[in-house]
Amino acid sequence: TQLLEQSPQFLSIQEGENLTVYCNSSSVFSSLQWYRQEPGEGPVLLVTVVTGGEVKKLKRLTFQFGDARKDSSLHITAAQPGDTGLYLCAGGSQGNLIFGKGTKLSVKP
Amino acid sequence: GAVVSQHPSWVICKSGTSVKIECRSLDFQATTMFWYRQFPKQSLMLMATSNEGSKATYEQGVEKDKFLINHASLTLSTLTVTSAHPEDSSFYICSALRATDTQYFGPGTRLTVL
Repeated sequence: TQLLEQSPQFLSIQEGENLTVYCNSSSVFSSLQWYRQEPGEGPVLLVTVVTGGEVKKLKRLTFQFGDARKDSSLHITAAQPGDTGLYLCAGGSQGNLIFGKGTKLSVKP
Repeated sequence: GAVVSQHPSWVICKSGTSVKIECRSLDFQATTMFWYRQFPKQSLMLMATSNEGSKATYEQGVEKDKFLINHASLTLSTLTVTSAHPEDSSFYICSALRATDTQYFGPGTRLTVL
C-alpha cells in the first residue's frame, strides 16, 4: 500500500515568516501534485512535478521533487494571510492519486 | 485551465431518500473521473474510479449498491447516494483526469442527511 506522510499537520505562523511543508513516502511516484483547498471548496492544483530533483517556483512558493521521486517539499517565503488554507500533496501512480493528510496553514496578520 | 463543475453545491435530504450529484468537465474530455469523500478536518478519501462506458471501480469498503456511479459521456459522471442516512452526510468531491497523472477537482457537494 502506498502511503504519503505529510508534515506538519498544523502550522500557525505570523505574516512574513517562511515555512516548509514536507511530503514523504517509501514508494516511488511518477508525479507529485500539490493542491490548496479552501473550506467548503474543492482542491485547486498548484503544481505538478514529474522529474526527480525538479524544482518549480510559483511566485513565493517553491516546490521540489526528491531525486528518487519519493518525497517532495513546499516552501513558502514571506507568508501572507491569503496563503491560509489546507495544503495537500498527492502522489500520482497510473492515473490514481494517493493523498497526504494535509497541512492546515494559518497565517496571522 | 481545466474546469470541473459539480451540481448541486449543497443538498439537504431526509433519511431514506436518494440524492444524485453531477460532475462535469467543462472544457476537456475525461475518460476517467474520480469520486472522493472528505470528512471535516480530514484529507480526501477515494471512493471510486469512474470510467466512461464501463463499470466503476470501487475502493475497499465502499458499497457499490449504495453509491451508484454512472459515467455516461466523456464530460459527465454522476454519483447517486441511495437510501441516504445521516452517516452519509459528508463533503463529496469529484475530479477529472486530464493528463496521465493530473486530476482537476470540482468545487464539491455538501450533503446533509436529516
